[in-house]
Amino acid sequence: QKEVEQNSGPLSVPEGAIASLNCTYSDRVSQSFFWYRQYSGKSPELIMSIYSNGDKEDGRFTAQLNKASQYVSLLIRDSQPSDSATYLCAVGDNDMRFGAGTRLTVKP
Amino acid sequence: GAGVSQSPSNKVTEKGKDVELRCDPISGHTALYWYRQRLGQGLEFLIYFQGNSAPDKSGLPSDRFSAERTGESVSTLTIQRTQQEDSAVYLCASSLVGGAMNEKLFFGSGTQLSVL
Repeated sequence: QKEVEQNSGPLSVPEGAIASLNCTYSDRVSQSFFWYRQYSGKSPELIMSIYSNGDKEDGRFTAQLNKASQYVSLLIRDSQPSDSATYLCAVGDNDMRFGAGTRLTVKP
Repeated sequence: GAGVSQSPSNKVTEKGKDVELRCDPISGHTALYWYRQRLGQGLEFLIYFQGNSAPDKSGLPSDRFSAERTGESVSTLTIQRTQQEDSAVYLCASSLVGGAMNEKLFFGSGTQLSVL
């Protein structure tokens, strides 16, 4: 069984702070890793994809991948109230599996 | 179409009835996924179609669940003899190509299924 684990939270940070979201996975051969954001009552939307070890930055978002440790994370810098949502980690090359999600609240 | 289309958007049914959910993927997308999301929970993988390959059905929770896809177009998810625990949002997603170095998934708006 392929597992994707996330801290369910909730995670609360003040506006302007860095939010750190973590994810571990069980399938060692996976090559594709994603972070999706899901607002309440809405469908998930892609924030970041990462395929190689190291960091990948896109604006205020940085994804970090460590395949040896089977670990992927998402950092959100200068967090804004509009970032308040559930963040889903997704792993897999064929049958893409999602974690349970971490609920983030950014307080003004 | 412009996006992934799912119908119906809401379905209320009685326990024991069969339901059929429909997904129209983005044209040209060869990969199609079905997920189930219970209230406050994450996305539970159900089934994956990739082109004309045999589907990966490893996530289907019981033999009451089945899905079909015609070529690289419409897919239907059928739940027979529905139970109250089947109540959830059923999300469909498609991507340009599945397999190694997977691509971004585009999600539909989901079907909210309520079993009374």
